[in-house]
Amino acid sequence: RKEVEQDPGPFNVPEGATVAFNCTYSNSASQSFFWYRQDCRKEPKLLMSVYSSGNEDGRFTAQLNRASQYISLLIRDSKLSDSATYLCVVNLNTGTASKLTFGTGTRLQVTL
Amino acid sequence: DVKVTQSSRYLVKRTGEKVFLECVQDMDHENMFWYRQDPGLGLRLIYFSYDVKMKEKGDIPEGYSVSREKKERFSLILESASTNQTSMYLCASTLGSGGDGYTFGSGTRLTVV
Repeated sequence: RKEVEQDPGPFNVPEGATVAFNCTYSNSASQSFFWYRQDCRKEPKLLMSVYSSGNEDGRFTAQLNRASQYISLLIRDSKLSDSATYLCVVNLNTGTASKLTFGTGTRLQVTL
Repeated sequence: DVKVTQSSRYLVKRTGEKVFLECVQDMDHENMFWYRQDPGLGLRLIYFSYDVKMKEKGDIPEGYSVSREKKERFSLILESASTNQTSMYLCASTLGSGGDGYTFGSGTRLTVV
């Protein structure tokens, strides 16, 4: 079983739509969680951290369910510029350093 | 803003060559990482370092080594490049426990022919 699993997509949605991505992780000792965004042929960039209580940043809402080992990202009012691959990322502190494990990503294409 | 700089954007090397990929960060980060990214496989950790001269193997260290002689610089070495090492290589750094995520360099696309 992969440590971090995501639906690869693509998700094709019209502008203005609401879209949700889900992610599951296998290691219950994982300590912190993130969503990264990666544009085509670019490096991943941190989109937002994910907190147990859920958190929002503008049109983006992230949720964490530790009991189910499940993370989600909701994007409201999608824009063309939201088209990218969204990576679910989990941090496990090994004692000497943290180690981020990445999902393979979910591709989003927002269309007119 | 933290800047992580990788020395080359594109690189073409021959099978059997020794290849050096360089990464420099300018914010005094303790932890540095090398990943490779392949379609369908995502980012996979090759090696990481949490201090000068310290290194730890990641998930796929075979065929690679690393060097961290100075805090700001973390080098990835392919001792004898092979075609299956053709990939996008990404360097990243973070200050402490990684609770704020990583900052990545812009990547080096290596082709081994």
